Amino acid sequence: NAGVMQNPRHLVRRRGQEARLRCSPMKGHSHVYWYRQLPEEGLKFMVYLQKENIIDESGMPKERFSAEFPKEGPSILRIQQVVRGDSAAYFCASSPRLAGVFYNEQFFGPGTRLTVL
Amino acid sequence: DQQVKQNSPSLSVQEGRISILNCDYTNSMFDYFLWYKKYPAEGPTFLISISSIKDKNEDGRFTVFLNKSAKHLSLHIVPSQPGDSAVYFCAASGGATNKLIFGTGTLLAVQP
Repeated sequence: NAGVMQNPRHLVRRRGQEARLRCSPMKGHSHVYWYRQLPEEGLKFMVYLQKENIIDESGMPKERFSAEFPKEGPSILRIQQVVRGDSAAYFCASSPRLAGVFYNEQFFGPGTRLTVL
Repeated sequence: DQQVKQNSPSLSVQEGRISILNCDYTNSMFDYFLWYKKYPAEGPTFLISISSIKDKNEDGRFTVFLNKSAKHLSLHIVPSQPGDSAVYFCAASGGATNKLIFGTGTLLAVQP
């Protein structure tokens, strides 16, 4: 049973380019969370998605950032017109969201390290 | 507004002794607390958790204590081993989405 997969592991972009980060959840998991870790900081929640729905995007910057989790395929975090301040590690986590369970554990992927030159 | 705080950025402990990592929170709506361990260039891995209706949870060498009145939790590792050296993140959850609010982490170094 493969864990959460993220690719690429490392991504280098120049200012103004677009960055696309992919996350494949664990088998059987239909809920995905994206977190960002800036240098010397903790992880910060960005967005929570179920298949084809954005449930909570309260942590997403208002401009340039978008996320999707289509019916087929991985979840995508898209950053348009990247700036140096977007340089960070981006982590995806998936959860099974079982009914009747108080808390559904989140399993994290290895992260994508984005560097903006 | 930092709702989850880890005030010690680093901690050094001798092998075999107890490691105590601390975490404070401000939001009384949090109802579930977790500790994650993270190695460089890897994602966080779940270590242990506790519901707000409990004050202690134990799993092998790891014990988490929750003091709701003080809005404080701690992770005890005993005995500490060199392989425990990593960054430890405290996280809290509350509400229907289960999103996690993380602290800034404590770097634990266990000296052989």
